[in-house]
Amino acid sequence: EDQVTQSPEALRLQEGESSSLNCSYTVSGLRGLFWYRQDPGKGPEFLFTLYSAGEEKEKERLKATLTKKESFLHITAPKPEDSATYLCAVPGSARQLTFGSGTQLTVLP
Amino acid sequence: EAQVTQNPRYLITVTGKKLTVTCSQNMNHEYMSWYRQDPGLGLRQIYYSMNVEVTDKGDVPEGYKVSRKEKRNFPLILESPSPNQTSLYFCASGTPGETGSYEQYFGPGTRLTVT
Repeated sequence: EDQVTQSPEALRLQEGESSSLNCSYTVSGLRGLFWYRQDPGKGPEFLFTLYSAGEEKEKERLKATLTKKESFLHITAPKPEDSATYLCAVPGSARQLTFGSGTQLTVLP
Repeated sequence: EAQVTQNPRYLITVTGKKLTVTCSQNMNHEYMSWYRQDPGLGLRQIYYSMNVEVTDKGDVPEGYKVSRKEKRNFPLILESPSPNQTSLYFCASGTPGETGSYEQYFGPGTRLTVT
């Protein structure tokens, strides 16, 4: 059974304080790992797809990396508008998508 | 504007009264899916569709039906809603990536309350 675990559950940062979110996964034959951002009461917003170990992708203050067992979402010099829940997900063998429970990020001004 | 739309956005209903939540996408995506999101349980997939007339169960399909008669539409049907189906529902559509997995784009959500 595919499993995705995210840590920490919640993270509070001061504006400008860089940090990383973790997504560890167990899946037979990784066919991609997705990162999403979700604001309260809204639909998840697609951020990145990573396909192979060593791959990195960047978008503004966010950088996602992938190893054979986990992915990290690095947030550099965050701003209050980066506050959201960040979700990672992996596709299963039968086209399902399994999500982690998310990391709720709060960036204080 | 490329988007996934859902209607209604909010719905309060009573146990046993059949309802349909509509979902439409304008991106010509073949893949569409439905999720529910509950506190402490996260996002769970209900059903997905690889193309017109092709649907399959996700992780939590009990109590739901779907149909895919047109490429752009993927309605979610609750024939006899129960209080445990009170949740926030999201529709998504997807485009295939490098490995055949789908990058999915989500709608704004439908908050359903069943009393």
